[in-house]
Amino acid sequence: QITLKESGPTLLKPTQTLTLTCTFSGFSLSTGGVGVGWIRQPPGKALEWLALIFWNDNKHYSPSLNSRLTVTKDTSKNQVVLTVTNMDPVDTATYYCAHKTGIEKFFDYWGQGTLVTVSS
Amino acid sequence: DIVMTQSPDSLAVSLGGRATISCESSQSLLYSANNKNYLAWYQQKAGQPPKLLIYWASTRESGVPDRFSGSGSGTDFTLTISSLQAEDVAVYYCQQYSSIPITFGQGTRLEIE
Repeated sequence: QITLKESGPTLLKPTQTLTLTCTFSGFSLSTGGVGVGWIRQPPGKALEWLALIFWNDNKHYSPSLNSRLTVTKDTSKNQVVLTVTNMDPVDTATYYCAHKTGIEKFFDYWGQGTLVTVSS
Repeated sequence: DIVMTQSPDSLAVSLGGRATISCESSQSLLYSANNKNYLAWYQQKAGQPPKLLIYWASTRESGVPDRFSGSGSGTDFTLTISSLQAEDVAVYYCQQYSSIPITFGQGTRLEIE
C-alpha cells in the first residue's frame, strides 16, 4: 500500500524559506521509473505542478519558479524534501507530494496535502 | 508551456444524467512513436487530494467505476460520466504529461442539478 504524507511549517513570513518533507511508504525511490512530484493549490484555485524527482536523481522544475525551488531525496529515509526560497503571500497554498511510476508523468498516489500560509 | 483549457468552468447535471467535460491542449499530446495521448484526468472532492481517474486519455485507473470514460486525441479530449451519482460531485482536472512543465487545466466544477 502506497502512502505519502507532507510535513512542514504551516505559517511563514514573507522572504522566509519553506522546507517541506514528503515521507512515503510502500515503494522505493531507488526503483527504476519511480518518481515523486510536488504540486500546489492556492485556496479555491487550480493545481500547479512545481517539481519532480526521479529514482536516478534526475529532476525537473517548473520554469516559473525554477530559481526558487530545490528538490532532494533521501532514499534510506524514504523522504523527499522540497525547499522554496523567498516565500510571498501568493505562495499560500496546499502543497501536495505525489507518486509516479514508469515513463509516465501522471500521479497515481497523493498525500493529503499541507496548507502553508505566508503572512506578515 | 502547453496550455490546458477546460470547458465549461462549472456544470450542473441531474442524478443519473450524463456529464461531459472538455479539455483542449495548445499542442498535440499524441506521441506518434507509441500512438499514445499523454493526458490524465483527476477528480478532487472537497477537502481531499486529487484522485487519478484516467490516463493515456482513455485508460481507466484500477477501481474507478466504469461510468467514467475518457476519449479524444491530439488536442481535444473529453471526460464523460455516463450516469451521474451523488458521490461524483467534485472538481475535475485534466493534466498533460507530454512535456515539461507538466500543466493542469483550470478545473471544472460538477454539481447536481
